[in-house]
Amino acid sequence: GAVVSQHPSWVICKSGTSVKIECRSLDFQATTMFWYRQFPKQSLMLMATSNEGSKATYEQGVEKDKFLINHASLTLSTLTVTSAHPEDSSFYICSARGGGRGTSEQYFGPGTRLTVT
Amino acid sequence: AQSVTQLGSHVSVSEGALVLLRCNYSSSVPPYLFWYVQYPNQGLQLLLKYTSAATLVKGINGFEAEFKKSETSFHLTKPSAHMSDAAEYFCAGDSYDKVIFGPGTSLSVIP
Repeated sequence: GAVVSQHPSWVICKSGTSVKIECRSLDFQATTMFWYRQFPKQSLMLMATSNEGSKATYEQGVEKDKFLINHASLTLSTLTVTSAHPEDSSFYICSARGGGRGTSEQYFGPGTRLTVT
Repeated sequence: AQSVTQLGSHVSVSEGALVLLRCNYSSSVPPYLFWYVQYPNQGLQLLLKYTSAATLVKGINGFEAEFKKSETSFHLTKPSAHMSDAAEYFCAGDSYDKVIFGPGTSLSVIP
């Protein structure tokens, strides 16, 4: 099956700094990538949807200036958490889809554990 | 509003017993439904998906799910639980341009 990677798998940063998380589709072209946030013992919360070459669409309540998303190519999307604070500590998961909705399933990355101290 | 619900945030079964995880969706959610499994500190793995080809869907690791439109349900079953099945399970529905996840069910398997 299709493979999606994330880098780094975990990161610790100090409050006030920025951190970038990469999401790559390794063996297919991802026309759409999704970024999710997951708190412990909770479900995935969609943060934003990005289409290659377009601005990301953010879900209600997600600060677009704080969570910068770039989908510059069909195989790479990045999420930058700017001026990180301890409350941004979470598990961030990306997914990628090659085609349209429905039968074209999403392939999920392994996730990135962010800890802000 | 579109929604996917999972009855029971935590389910415990004995090893070898039937596994039944419940999922219901709101009628406004298009009938593209998925079950995912998540192990601790890992991403999601697709177990199976319903895409209107057949109401009974077979997935990996012996899991299967049946789509029942009249009940707006897509329950996940496995005849005999294995210790390795202990994980978090998410039901999801594919709405236009996004996937809506249920709250998840944590499955424990008792030896």
